Amino acid sequence: AQSVTQPDIHITVSEGASLELRCNYSYGATPYLFWYVQSPGQGLQLLLKYFSGDTLVQGIKGFEAEFKRSQSSFNLRKPSVHWSDAAEYFCAVGAGGYGNKLVFGAGTILRVKS
Amino acid sequence: NAGVMQNPRHLVRRRGQEARLRCSPMKGHSHVYWYRQLPEEGLKFMVYLQKENIIDESGMPKERFSAEFPKEGPSILRIQQVVRGDSAAYFCASSPQSSGRLLNEQFFGPGTRLTVL
Repeated sequence: AQSVTQPDIHITVSEGASLELRCNYSYGATPYLFWYVQSPGQGLQLLLKYFSGDTLVQGIKGFEAEFKRSQSSFNLRKPSVHWSDAAEYFCAVGAGGYGNKLVFGAGTILRVKS
Repeated sequence: NAGVMQNPRHLVRRRGQEARLRCSPMKGHSHVYWYRQLPEEGLKFMVYLQKENIIDESGMPKERFSAEFPKEGPSILRIQQVVRGDSAAYFCASSPQSSGRLLNEQFFGPGTRLTVL
């Protein structure tokens, strides 16, 4: 069965520092991969997605992610974190016949200290 | 273009009552998905619907839960005889028509937070 692991429950970084959030997936075929962000009490906003092609994917708000098939990973990165980036981040893989069933990781809560 | 609308945003029910959660997809979207987020957990898929059809309900509990997406009107997630364990945030997402294996992005609504007393 498909699964997504986000090993870090909480991460704290200083404003202006770089960020990497880890995501590992388990999926038999070529995965469809996503990163979403959720602010407290809000819905999810898509940051970026990978379907095929270039393994380095650019997203909104200065985020990028790199698909590494050999490591079954899709880590999210940002070179310089802003205080407004504090939120919870979810990695997901598209499963089901057309990949329309998203399987989410448990999330990583990002805290930004000034 | 309005986003995915969900109402109510907050719903309080007593044990044994029914909860009805509504979701209006984005204009032009014919696919709707429901997810449940328990406290301090990620979202779990419940059901995937197209107009008048349930495509995948593999994540729906076997009892008390049902979903529909009629030809006209919003999608409804219905929970009968609610219990405390149903307390969660329920998110709806929508996407446009799929084409072959091209996966379309799901756009999420703000969620309905259900509290069962």
